[in-house]
Amino acid sequence: QVQLQESGPGLLKASETLSLTCTVSGGSLSPNYWSWIRQPPGKGLEWIGYVYYGGSTKYSPSLKSRVTMSVDTSKNQFSLRLNSVTAADTAVYYCAHLELGMDYFDSWGQGTLVTVSS
Amino acid sequence: QSVLTQPPSVSAAPGQKVTISCSGSSSNIGNNYVSWYQQLPGTAPKLLIYDNDKRPSGIPDRFSGSKSGTSATLGITGLQTGDEADYYCGTWDNSLSAVVFGGGTKLTVL
Repeated sequence: QVQLQESGPGLLKASETLSLTCTVSGGSLSPNYWSWIRQPPGKGLEWIGYVYYGGSTKYSPSLKSRVTMSVDTSKNQFSLRLNSVTAADTAVYYCAHLELGMDYFDSWGQGTLVTVSS
Repeated sequence: QSVLTQPPSVSAAPGQKVTISCSGSSSNIGNNYVSWYQQLPGTAPKLLIYDNDKRPSGIPDRFSGSKSGTSATLGITGLQTGDEADYYCGTWDNSLSAVVFGGGTKLTVL
């Protein structure tokens, strides 16, 4: 299994853009699907979307208008951008490998807490 | 409100067996594979079961999964204190075109 590591700012102000990167080691981005999942403090898991190594994407309907995901195969990284954040976007953000078709996540990053202050 | 419904909590004594249910509909569980995740306190979720009833390598056979119609069940036998965690079910939802999760079940081993 691959190893994943999230990185990015841990504190944002309301209306700013959240930007996170996930670095994949021990394997290649191709030909795989990669996902972002978040978990507000004390709450359950919420799927944000996935990006294919070739660049195609699919986003959660509830976040689609604010989300952009991309890949950088040269760095073996993929990224998440979430615009116009509010306090409701405060959560631990996980990156994960998605086995599409069977739809399960078999490798996860350790997660990074992003706090949005008002 | 989660698309998949799980009991908020379950409990049992060490050595006993427990089951955790996950209820959905024909747009999700009824026509797609179910996976289960274990989240120990302060850690990332870990895949326990995939394709309804398959265990990744390294997952003990004390953990089992099953699916019937629009519901799925996670079973854990020989409970240990180290099994205390939150457990989540997940699947694809054809109507939402999205991965959906249950709200999570907190397992307490008394």
